[in-house]
Amino acid sequence: GAGVSQTPSNKVTEKGKYVELRCDPISGHTALYWYRQSLGQGPEFLIYFQGTGAADDSGLPNDRFFAVRPEGSVSTLKIQRTERGDSAVYLCASSRDPFGEQFFGPGTRLTVL
Amino acid sequence: DAKTTQPNSMESNEEEPVHLPCNHSTISGTDYIHWYRQLPSQGPEYVIHGLTSNVNNRMASLAIAEDRKSSTLILHRATLRDAAVYYCILRSNTGNQFYFGTGTSLTVIP
Repeated sequence: GAGVSQTPSNKVTEKGKYVELRCDPISGHTALYWYRQSLGQGPEFLIYFQGTGAADDSGLPNDRFFAVRPEGSVSTLKIQRTERGDSAVYLCASSRDPFGEQFFGPGTRLTVL
Repeated sequence: DAKTTQPNSMESNEEEPVHLPCNHSTISGTDYIHWYRQLPSQGPEYVIHGLTSNVNNRMASLAIAEDRKSSTLILHRATLRDAAVYYCILRSNTGNQFYFGTGTSLTVIP
């Protein structure tokens, strides 16, 4: 079966622009996670969805970051007024239930010029 | 969530066993110990997890100290494809966050 997919694989934008990153989880997985990974660091938790609702968004760095999962499947991470410090690989993961094994996508590499 | 401490890097010869240590001295009774690994240019992948007893699966073994303040991931015969960053993570049964830390970068020497 298909794994977690993320689009685009690469995104280059200019400082101040708005970007959307998409995650398609494994079908039937109720839990969905977003992480951010900077060079040489481990993934950093951003937000967790259980179904359609954001059960834990404590990792979002500021109010420029927002994520949605309106139908409990596909999720979109939205970043407003991008800054150079937002440049990183954004990883999405899904799991069958909140405490199950997480399956990660390949990530979206965001570069803010 | 409690944090973990791992060596930054380790080396192993191909086809030799590898023991990757992790210290988690502030672990609580409800924390599970998870291991994930990340191959170059890929997302992390699950390796193994446990609570108190040692665990074995097709990829690796997990040895957990009796006081649970440390654990060791064991790769029985390292292959070149095992070269990756290995993350030891504690996960509470009441929390949904994974704190990855910086992990151990494993180099496998042919």
